[in-house]
Order: sequence, then C-alpha cells, then structure tokens
Amino acid sequence: KQEVTQIPAALSVPEGENLVLNCSFTDSAIYNLQWFRQDPGKGLTSLLLIQSSQREQTSGRLNASLDKSSGRSTLYIAASQPGDSATYLCLPYGGSQGNLIFGKGTKLSVKP
Amino acid sequence: EAQVTQNPRYLITVTGKKLTVTCSQNMNHEYMSWYRQDPGLGLRQIYYSMNVEVTDKGDVPEGYKVSRKEKRNFPLILESPSPNQTSLYFCASSFGGGGGYGYTFGSGTRLTVV
Repeated sequence: KQEVTQIPAALSVPEGENLVLNCSFTDSAIYNLQWFRQDPGKGLTSLLLIQSSQREQTSGRLNASLDKSSGRSTLYIAASQPGDSATYLCLPYGGSQGNLIFGKGTKLSVKP
Repeated sequence: EAQVTQNPRYLITVTGKKLTVTCSQNMNHEYMSWYRQDPGLGLRQIYYSMNVEVTDKGDVPEGYKVSRKEKRNFPLILESPSPNQTSLYFCASSFGGGGGYGYTFGSGTRLTVV
C-alpha cells in the first residue's frame, strides 16, 4: 500500500528565503502528482499538477519536480512571503486507482 | 464557475441522530470521493466512486454510507453519528480515478457530534 511522507513536518523561515518542501512515496507506479495548499480550517487549493509526461511544473514563485524512479517530489518556493504561510500537501496517484493517500503535510510559517 | 459544493459548512448534532452531508460538482466528473481530516492523522479517504452506481471503501469507511445515483451528487450519510466522527470532512472530484487533470476539493464541512 502506498505510503506518503512529507518532510519537514513544520518549517519556520524569515520572509524572503527560498525553501524546499519534500514529498516521498513508496509506489513508483504513480503517474501524476498534485501539490495543494491548505489554510487553517479551509479547503485544499491546487497549486501544481505534474502529469505523467512531465517532470516539473512552474507557477509564479512555485516550482515542483517529480522523480518517479526515486519516489520523490519537491516543491520549491522562491522569495517566500508571509502570505505563503499554510500547510502544503502532496498527492501522488495514477492508473485507475480510486484509493488516494495523502501526505500529512508540511506546515509552513513565514515570518515578516 | 467549476466547483465542488458541500453543504452544510458547519453542523453540530447529537449522538445517534442520522445526518447527510451533500456534495455536488458541476464539472461532469466521473470520480468523486470523501475524506475526513483530523489533527495528527491528516486526510484519510472514507469512500470513493469511480462512476454512477459504483462505490468502494477507502481507508476509514466504518460508520459511513454513500450513494451515487447520479453523476453530479455524492452524499455522505452518517446513520448513527458518534463523537469520534467529529471531524472536518472534504469531498473531491476528478474526470476519472487516477485522472491526469487533478482533483478538485470542496470547502469542507465541520461536523461536531456531542
């Protein structure tokens, strides 16, 4: 069964720093990986989706990469801002599976 | 606007009183699923549906029922709620299980069972 690990569990950085969030998974048969952001008590907002034919995706200050062979994805946030403070979740999935396993997330706090 | 709509957003109920949380999507998605989120345990899947009339258990199905009679709706039913079902619930949908277009989530339902 798929296991998804996100490291670190929590991270506190000063504003302006570049940072990397890590996601590792055990099932290398996954096709796609989606990164989400969640503010406290709120829903999940999709940030980036890396599809099977891609190795990375970029949106503004965010860049996500996917290495299926090693079972890893990283989310890079450039020039962090206090508004980036949230929990970041990764979701690797693929094939025709319906059972989805999330990582427990990385709680990011960016200090002004 | 393409979205997944959950109702209600907040619900406080008493032990044993049957309740239904509704989930509706307007994107013609085949796949829909339910999750609960608890501190320290993360998001855990309750049930999912690959298409109309097709449902399967996720990781924590005990105490819950679902039905998928039409494509757009996927209600979550708690026949006899208990305090351990107090949680934040999310519904999600996609074009297909394992679909390459990603998953869209609702805004959540905060359920408290007293």
